[in-house]
Amino acid sequence: DTEVTQTPKHLVMGMTNKKSLKCEQHMGHRAMYWYKQKAKKPPELMFVYSYEKLSINESVPSRFSPECPNSSLLNLHLHALQPEDSALYLCASSADTRLAAYEQYFGPGTRLTVT
Amino acid sequence: AQSVTQLDSHVSVSEGTPVLLRCNYSSSYSPSLFWYVQHPNKGLQLLLKYTSAATLVKGINGFEAEFKKSETSFHLTKPSAHMSDAAEYFCVVTPEYNQGGKLIFGQGTELSVKP
Repeated sequence: DTEVTQTPKHLVMGMTNKKSLKCEQHMGHRAMYWYKQKAKKPPELMFVYSYEKLSINESVPSRFSPECPNSSLLNLHLHALQPEDSALYLCASSADTRLAAYEQYFGPGTRLTVT
Repeated sequence: AQSVTQLDSHVSVSEGTPVLLRCNYSSSYSPSLFWYVQHPNKGLQLLLKYTSAATLVKGINGFEAEFKKSETSFHLTKPSAHMSDAAEYFCVVTPEYNQGGKLIFGQGTELSVKP
């Protein structure tokens, strides 16, 4: 099973709200990723977790806060977002980060709209 | 800096005709290369992967790609397009030195299939 699941599928939030995105995989992968994707653009890497530790933060604003409770779960906590943060948020996983050749498996994404 | 170029931002074919999506990468090394497909409002799905084994790689849904080191190319082909192939396609390469799982994405090619 190469499935990565994400909830919710859609999320509308105001600029003062706090919400969370969730991601889950059961492939035994030890690397998990958050990407942001704007329309007609490739995904942009936000965070990487390797063995449940944050290994890469691509200078993402602090209003985005990632969390990896265990090796199967990845959360993205959102607070005080701006309208320009509206995008498709994708989660991905791979076997490991020690080899970039390990393919990444993507979830279906959460479509976030900030009003 | 390493980069990947998808030579066409949009390709339009008729159903039943061949598909060619072009990808060139700039590097002095042999990277791993991937093609991903993204249908509207969906996540990215891995079509195929090259990792220095056979230069002709077969993927899912009848797609294949050929790695040509002399031309630094990794073009994606399919003999006969189907309506369901209409989607965005991303060519992706690994950086020369592993950067914790980071990937380099092309800008994408939108494939339209006419009936």
